[in-house]
Amino acid sequence: QQPVQSPQAVILREGEDAVINCSSSKALYSVHWYRQKHGEAPVFLMILLKGGEQKGHEKISASFNEKKQQSSLYLTASQLSYSGTYFCGARPSAGGTSYGKLTFGQGTILTVHP
Amino acid sequence: DTEVTQTPKHLVMGMTNKKSLKCEQHMGHRAMYWYKQKAKKPPELMFVYSYEKLSINESVPSRFSPECPNSSLLNLHLHALQPEDSALYLCASSQVGRAERGGTQYFGPGTRLLVL
Repeated sequence: QQPVQSPQAVILREGEDAVINCSSSKALYSVHWYRQKHGEAPVFLMILLKGGEQKGHEKISASFNEKKQQSSLYLTASQLSYSGTYFCGARPSAGGTSYGKLTFGQGTILTVHP
Repeated sequence: DTEVTQTPKHLVMGMTNKKSLKCEQHMGHRAMYWYKQKAKKPPELMFVYSYEKLSINESVPSRFSPECPNSSLLNLHLHALQPEDSALYLCASSQVGRAERGGTQYFGPGTRLLVL
């Protein structure tokens, strides 16, 4: 089942913050975040494993709440380069026949204006 | 080096044509993937190869035929496609294993396919 992302779209001015949420109805092993710019391939941002961990990459960080089966991506002090579509990819288990099976959310379109 | 390359970048084919998409990676990854992506939609998994063997086929029509000749190469053979198969076809690769970084998929630039 496809994870649900919210919001569907966000419009920001440079320097503003945003939060993108990803929720799953199934237990998850990991959540993967990607950004895709128009006409380009998805670019890996970060992976979070179950256990409630948080990660950061410059001004982009993420958390994974195992109990709620929810991950959130935090973008602080946004830059023009942050514009794009953000996808979360949910992986249900560590191995077995479902290994490698990432199911992506529908995407969140982030637009940053000067 | 986290580069996955795909050729061709663009492909136009008729419904009776046979063509192939190619994907290559030199990261030592032993899992490779084909995804289909329609405009404004997320990538949809088609096939997964693990150690050069097909491990997942997401009920893809037989007009799409994947092939993994070796650990670095992945092909997608196309035959008798329909106009609704027009999309961006993405290849990805990853390590295999339970390590933290295992399963992180790195995508190629894609092949934009138009079926007339």
